[in-house]
Amino acid sequence: GENVEQHPSTLSVQEGDSAVIKCTYSDSASNYFPWYKQELGKRPQLIIDIRSNVGEKKDQRIAVTLNKTAKHFSLHITETQPEDSAVYFCAVYYGQNFVFGPGTRLSVLP
Amino acid sequence: GAVVSQHPSRVICKSGTSVKIECRSLDFQATTMFWYRQFPKQSLMLMATSNEGSKATYEQGVEKDKFLINHASLTLSTLTVTSAHPEDSSFYICSAQGAAGVAYFGPGTRLTVL
Repeated sequence: GENVEQHPSTLSVQEGDSAVIKCTYSDSASNYFPWYKQELGKRPQLIIDIRSNVGEKKDQRIAVTLNKTAKHFSLHITETQPEDSAVYFCAVYYGQNFVFGPGTRLSVLP
Repeated sequence: GAVVSQHPSRVICKSGTSVKIECRSLDFQATTMFWYRQFPKQSLMLMATSNEGSKATYEQGVEKDKFLINHASLTLSTLTVTSAHPEDSSFYICSAQGAAGVAYFGPGTRLTVL
């Protein structure tokens, strides 16, 4: 089956700096890679996604890059703000379901 | 974006009783619904995948007779925790996937079994 790893598990950055979270997956047949943000006590919210026919996607301060050959994809957040503090999960669509990474707790320090 | 509701948001029940949780896609038809369990500070653990009109596919280690899933329509799936015990206390979240393949989460249900 699919195995998804996510690094780092925790990340602290100063407000205004950039944050990068990386996920690796094992099955080259996976073709859809969403990122979710989960604030404490709330549902995971889709923030950006990318499909396997695209190498990069950007939405304002958030971007995702995909390296199909190396089987990894990364979330990039620029000009971080305190409200970016949350747990971020990557996911890989494999077979007919999603496999989630273990999550990264991002803290943006003022 | 697409809206997924989940009801109830919180439930407290006595050990041995059954609890039903509803998941609805409000503005789109969900071809597939997923049920997850999330422990504090941990990732989402997939329990089962359900497609409208067919039996749910359960993940290894999830008891299908204990966690009954019904996906009767393209907008509604239910999870029933039968004969609940304290160890079933957790945060249960559904996710609904539309035709575009994107999955949206419900707000979750916090179950506490006394």
